[in-house]
Amino acid sequence: AQSVTQPDIHITVSEGASLELRCNYSYGATPYLFWYVQSPGQGLQLLLKYFSGDTLVQGIKGFEAEFKRSQSSFNLRKPSVHWSDAAEYFCAVGARSNYQLIWGAGTKLIIKP
Amino acid sequence: EAQVTQNPRYLITVTGKKLTVTCSQNMNHEYMSWYRQDPGLGLRQIYYSMNVEVTDKGDVPEGYKVSRKEKRNFPLILESPSPNQTSLYFCASRKGTGSAYEQYFGPGTRLTVT
Repeated sequence: AQSVTQPDIHITVSEGASLELRCNYSYGATPYLFWYVQSPGQGLQLLLKYFSGDTLVQGIKGFEAEFKRSQSSFNLRKPSVHWSDAAEYFCAVGARSNYQLIWGAGTKLIIKP
Repeated sequence: EAQVTQNPRYLITVTGKKLTVTCSQNMNHEYMSWYRQDPGLGLRQIYYSMNVEVTDKGDVPEGYKVSRKEKRNFPLILESPSPNQTSLYFCASRKGTGSAYEQYFGPGTRLTVT
């Protein structure tokens, strides 16, 4: 069955510390991979996406993600978080053969001052 | 400014009282979709539309209706709301029908059914 797992419901990091949010997927086809961010009281916004090519992709707001096919993972990273990064982050998977995205349950990022 | 708008942003209603949540996009997008977001469950798709007069069920369509009479509008209708439809609702649109396209989301509608 197709699925997306974000193992961490909440993550707390100190401002200025590095961040890694995990995303694992189970998908039969070659996946399209996305990370979206939901800031408090707002809709979701695309951070970055991977379709093919270089497995390390850069996104907005200083985020990057690495596609690892052997581990079925697409983890999101940021070298140094800012208080404004406090939000909920969603991983999603799609495919050429599919109109719909499959969404992870989300990871809420809390920033400690 | 390119955007997806939803109204109302907040709504408290009672069981059985019909309501409509409007959604409008100004990007001439073909594809529109409704999601509900519940804690621990992420986003679940309710209905989607590939174009005018073309709609289809998502993962959780029970208790909802939609229509797509114009390209820009995609209202969500709850004919007889129940407490289990208390949730945060998002409308989204994207340029094409393929899942590779970026989705643009509205700000959300928080619905409480008592």
